[in-house]
Amino acid sequence: RKEVEQDPGPFNVPEGATVAFNCTYSNSASQSFFWYRQDCRKEPKLLMSVYSSGNEDGRFTAQLNRASQYISLLIRDSKLSDSATYLCVVLTGANNLFFGTGTRLTVIP
Amino acid sequence: EAQVTQNPRYLITVTGKKLTVTCSQNMNHEYMSWYRQDPGLGLRQIYYSMNVEVTDKGDVPEGYKVSRKEKRNFPLILESPSPNQTSLYFCASNADYNSPLHFGNGTRLTVT
Repeated sequence: RKEVEQDPGPFNVPEGATVAFNCTYSNSASQSFFWYRQDCRKEPKLLMSVYSSGNEDGRFTAQLNRASQYISLLIRDSKLSDSATYLCVVLTGANNLFFGTGTRLTVIP
Repeated sequence: EAQVTQNPRYLITVTGKKLTVTCSQNMNHEYMSWYRQDPGLGLRQIYYSMNVEVTDKGDVPEGYKVSRKEKRNFPLILESPSPNQTSLYFCASNADYNSPLHFGNGTRLTVT
């Protein structure tokens, strides 16, 4: 079983839609969680860290469910500029970083 | 501007010809690391460094070497590149192991 699993998509949604991605992790001792955004052929960029109580940044909401071992990312009012691949990253112990393979989102006009 | 700088952006080489990809960060970060990204496999860690002169293997270290003689620099060395090392490579740094990674803008390597 992979350490981190994501639905690869693609998710094709119309502008203005709400879309959610999940990412499951296998190690219950995982301690830090992040969502990154990656545009085609470019470097991943931090979108947001995921805190235990959940956190929001504008149209983006991240949540952590330790009992079921998944993190989620919710994007409200999707914009064309949100089209990208979204990577979840899980840290388990010192420098044991695991990356999901990414979920591809396309927002359609 | 805080950044991680990799060079070159694109590199085409032949099997067996030694090459070095440079990586430099200006954020005084303790941790630096190298990744390769391949379709369907995601990002995989090659090597990481927790401080000057301290390096350790990641998930896919075979065929690669690194050094950390200075805090800001972390070059990746391929002594004898092979076609299966054709990939997109990213260098990254972070302040400590628990902090988010800052990535360089990538090096696309093709080995023929």
